[in-house]
Amino acid sequence: ETGVTQTPRHLVMGMTNKKSLKCEQHLGHNAMYWYKQSAKKPLELMFVYNFKEQTENNSVPSRFSPECPNSSHLFLHLHTLQPEDSALYLCASSQDWGGSVYNEQFFGPGTRLTVL
Amino acid sequence: GQNIDQPTEMTATEGAIVQINCTYQTSGFNGLFWYQQHAGEAPTFLSYNVLDGLEEKGRFSSFLSRSKGYSYLLLKELQMKDSASYLCAVIKAAGNKLTFGGGTRVLVKP
Repeated sequence: ETGVTQTPRHLVMGMTNKKSLKCEQHLGHNAMYWYKQSAKKPLELMFVYNFKEQTENNSVPSRFSPECPNSSHLFLHLHTLQPEDSALYLCASSQDWGGSVYNEQFFGPGTRLTVL
Repeated sequence: GQNIDQPTEMTATEGAIVQINCTYQTSGFNGLFWYQQHAGEAPTFLSYNVLDGLEEKGRFSSFLSRSKGYSYLLLKELQMKDSASYLCAVIKAAGNKLTFGGGTRVLVKP
């Protein structure tokens, strides 16, 4: 257990559905991240939130919409997805973002998403 | 941009040693990380190298050469539970943005 939980663990959705992924961290961290892990591709950063403010958007299509209501919770709202969006979506958190000292990122177990 | 290369897969025998290499090309380098990820689970932090040299933590060691853009993760006295993917990741000077390699899947056989 890393202190970062994600729900659901598995999700199957059609291209016209709207669904949301949820992440919660119990570590008292201020920065939260969404990553995408596709088969045979490197883990890639999607979004970063620091103190509830979005600080990074790694050119992610608008069909992925993040929301960070507080420092402990992070959502990824999904709509009109494509089959190529099928992947493992990982959430992570760290003490904060930026500065000269690296803060270790703690990952959740991920949500395995399949888009039909 | 950043290029991070590591082998796709390695196989080793229980009790043996395996060395996973990682080469990178990046600007503004500020450290290199190794994570372990078992199938269906979260990546977990193994090591962080920012200066040249060898960092040892029990059965796992990580080495960095900044001038060569090279790192390796050394796994000693392999156990079956070490079968997992090992992810090499580089961080730039600003922020906490990690860029990952494709991962090396290690299979430990009896």
